[in-house]
Amino acid sequence: EPEVTQTPSHQVTQMGQEVILRCVPISNHLYFYWYRQILGQKVEFLVSFYNNEISEKSEIFDDQFSVERPDGSNFTLKIRSTKLEDSAMYFCASSEEPGEETQYFGPGTRLLVL
Amino acid sequence: QKEVEQNSGPLSVPEGAIASLNCTYSDRGSQSFFWYRQYSGKSPELIMFIYSNGDKEDGRFTAQLNKASQYVSLLIRDSQPSDSATYLCAVNAGNMLTFGGGTRLMVKP
Repeated sequence: EPEVTQTPSHQVTQMGQEVILRCVPISNHLYFYWYRQILGQKVEFLVSFYNNEISEKSEIFDDQFSVERPDGSNFTLKIRSTKLEDSAMYFCASSEEPGEETQYFGPGTRLLVL
Repeated sequence: QKEVEQNSGPLSVPEGAIASLNCTYSDRGSQSFFWYRQYSGKSPELIMFIYSNGDKEDGRFTAQLNKASQYVSLLIRDSQPSDSATYLCAVNAGNMLTFGGGTRLMVKP
């Protein structure tokens, strides 16, 4: 069964450093998403992406964050200058269609900012 | 502000019993509703989705939706210890999911 994959599974970085989290969505899906979950808290929406453009973004997704689809398979989330409060699990998700369509989640990247 | 509320639990049920999980949402424009299961340290795993008022059954799981009351529920029949996890209610209104905080379910052998 097709699934969303993410790399790395764990990333430790120093405050102020840039990190890039990578995702390979399900191959026939056209809509891509990033969510994050701080330990013990809710899963929070960051951004949705379609046709090489951001469709929607939350207040969390400020200028420190960017997304890109550098090739036909990868979808990346970049955090330019990490802060301690960026420590969280970051989940990539994809769906065939937006709106009602089910979003399938990858296994996540655990980011720890020291 | 779109809100999705769940009782955090833990909800403790004996093996073989029915577990009932509830969720309310604030955005009347929401069109689709999802239940995800999340084991500790893992990603959300889809259990069921429901779009229309009423009940939807899939194996041991039944989702119930009442849009007038802005209420979604999940029933798990014949609960098993392997069902012990956090159950996340999620609501889609556009290109994003809004999650509740989850209800932790513990099924005791």
